[in-house]
Amino acid sequence: EVQLVESGGDLVLPGGSLRLSCAASGFTFSDHYMDWVRQAPGKGLQWVGRSRNKANSYTTEYAASVKGRFTISRDDSKSSLYLQMNSLKTEDTAVYYCVRLCASPKDFEYWGQGTLVTVSS
Amino acid sequence: QAGLTQPPSVSKDLRQTATLTCTGNSNNVGNQGAAWLQQHQGHPPKLLFYRNNNRPSGISERFSASRSGNTASLTITGLQPEDEADYYCSTWDSSLSAVVFGGGTKLTVL
Repeated sequence: EVQLVESGGDLVLPGGSLRLSCAASGFTFSDHYMDWVRQAPGKGLQWVGRSRNKANSYTTEYAASVKGRFTISRDDSKSSLYLQMNSLKTEDTAVYYCVRLCASPKDFEYWGQGTLVTVSS
Repeated sequence: QAGLTQPPSVSKDLRQTATLTCTGNSNNVGNQGAAWLQQHQGHPPKLLFYRNNNRPSGISERFSASRSGNTASLTITGLQPEDEADYYCSTWDSSLSAVVFGGGTKLTVL
């Protein structure tokens, strides 16, 4: 059974930093693209970024709104995905979901339960 | 980033048919198709359809998906109370090199 468990969400001051983690199990982590998607309270889904798999050199992509502030990384030996968030803004407040993409097409196949990040003074 | 366009809300009677739309352009829906996600209040989204209009295992056959040009559609027949949820479309935008989502449609079953 595929499981994705996010952790690390917290209350942080504007301008602060936070690192989210996603522990994956039930599949061969290194084979899959992994994304972060967020959802502000009462709002729709917003893509944050992507980590491609080993076969695609672990390249990353980011939404324009987070590029230069957020960094996605992964540790295949630990089946874990990370999201380092710096220079946080109040508009980054959201539930952050870790998502596994299917092999083809690259669609959002499995979702974690999410972790809440609140940016507020 | 420019997103996909979905109607904010749709209301239909029990056992009726609802068709939800998702409009993009030639850089996203027009050449990639759109995946569909269902989200019940307080839960993470669930994949209903892949971009190729294939249904993951376990998804009811009352749900179907199609595309015409730059518009993707999700049709739900025989509406049930449990179909009341938010529905999102998503796809890759080749000009933005980014995933784009629709704003979501809240489906109410009366």
